[in-house]
Amino acid sequence: NAGVTQTPKFQVLKTGQSMTLQCAQDMNHNSMYWYRQDPGMGLRLIYYSASEGTTDKGEVPNGYNVSRLNKREFSLRLESAAPSQTSVYFCASSALAGTENSPLHFGNGTRLTVT
Amino acid sequence: EDQVTQSPEALRLQEGESSSLNCSYTVSGLRGLFWYRQDPGKGPEFLFTLYSAGEEKEKERLKATLTKKESFLHITAPKPEDSATYLCAVPLRSGSARQLTFGSGTQLTVLP
Repeated sequence: NAGVTQTPKFQVLKTGQSMTLQCAQDMNHNSMYWYRQDPGMGLRLIYYSASEGTTDKGEVPNGYNVSRLNKREFSLRLESAAPSQTSVYFCASSALAGTENSPLHFGNGTRLTVT
Repeated sequence: EDQVTQSPEALRLQEGESSSLNCSYTVSGLRGLFWYRQDPGKGPEFLFTLYSAGEEKEKERLKATLTKKESFLHITAPKPEDSATYLCAVPLRSGSARQLTFGSGTQLTVLP
């Protein structure tokens, strides 16, 4: 049982390049999330999808787009990468949205460097 | 402004030396407080959820407690394998889903 799988694990981009981070979960969860983690700033929510077919902005959505491809998959796209987007990106899922008794399950992250 | 603050930023303990990590929050209408453990190069792993002041939860050498303004993660007789970053988070209701606001974490090192 893999849980939440993220690809790639590492990526280096040049400023202005685009890329898509992939995330898949095999727990039949309804909700999926994208966070970024930066030193001293904690995890910050970029976008989330409460259920298949819906997406919504989080705290730091600028410069990103998302697609909930199906119930299992939620991708994050950087259209024109900037050095400020250098970070570790985590995908997470939870069984239910909007309820507190539904902890997040995280993948192991994508480490992105933009030069 | 709703926020979550963790202290200390880093903590070094000798094996067997008990201590506590602090998570203070300013959130109106708390709807749960979450503790996670994060190992280097890994994603956070869920530990506990606390819902009301006075509640306590335990897992092995860890015990989490909650008051109206803060939560403590007590570590009793820690072992080197307890070394990790411990994160707390509170949910802020937004739109159709809960958005967790995370603290910046306490990096715990337990020396043998």
